[in-house]
Amino acid sequence: SQTIHQWPATLVQPVGSPLSLECTVEGTSNPNLYWYRQAAGRGLQLLFYSVGIGQISSEVPQNLSASRPQDRQFILSSKKLLLSDSGFYLCAWSDSGQVLNIQYFGAGTRLSVL
Amino acid sequence: SQQGEEDPQALSIQEGENATMNCSYKTSINNLQWYRQNSGRGLVHLILIRSNEREKHSGRLRVTLDTSKKSSSLLITASRAADTASYFCATDTNNRLAFGKGNQVVVIP
Repeated sequence: SQTIHQWPATLVQPVGSPLSLECTVEGTSNPNLYWYRQAAGRGLQLLFYSVGIGQISSEVPQNLSASRPQDRQFILSSKKLLLSDSGFYLCAWSDSGQVLNIQYFGAGTRLSVL
Repeated sequence: SQQGEEDPQALSIQEGENATMNCSYKTSINNLQWYRQNSGRGLVHLILIRSNEREKHSGRLRVTLDTSKKSSSLLITASRAADTASYFCATDTNNRLAFGKGNQVVVIP
């Protein structure tokens, strides 16, 4: 069966520090991968999605970047964090061979920038 | 722009009652999905309804879709305390999901 791992679960970082959040998927090949951010009490904002290695689409201009160095690995990064980068970050995958785009989410990373 | 938008009211009900949530959207969709999120956790897919379907059932869940009104509803029957969570609708357009703001449901034992 497929599983998705996302870490760390919580992170407290100072303003101006770098960021690296990692997400890996097991049990499937060539998944579509997604990074979302969820502000408190809000819906999910799609940040990046990827349909293959090295293929990244950015949905919202921001202080963040994403990379997909391996088929089942998706990394969210920042060179210098801003206070506004605080939030709950969620990684998700979907089966690229299916039309329906059902997404499966990781447990999330709570990022606090102080 | 955000596609799915639930009615923003939080819902507090007694165990055993039914819970209904609504969602509206603005553009054409391939399908509409409902997800559940327990506090501080990731989202879990509940049910999907295709654009050419009007109603779908899964266990205690019933989803309706009215494409003429661009709206959907999620009904949870015979609610349980374990149903306490936030529920999100998401519209699928061009292989991307657009999520609404979520509807918090509290089921009181």
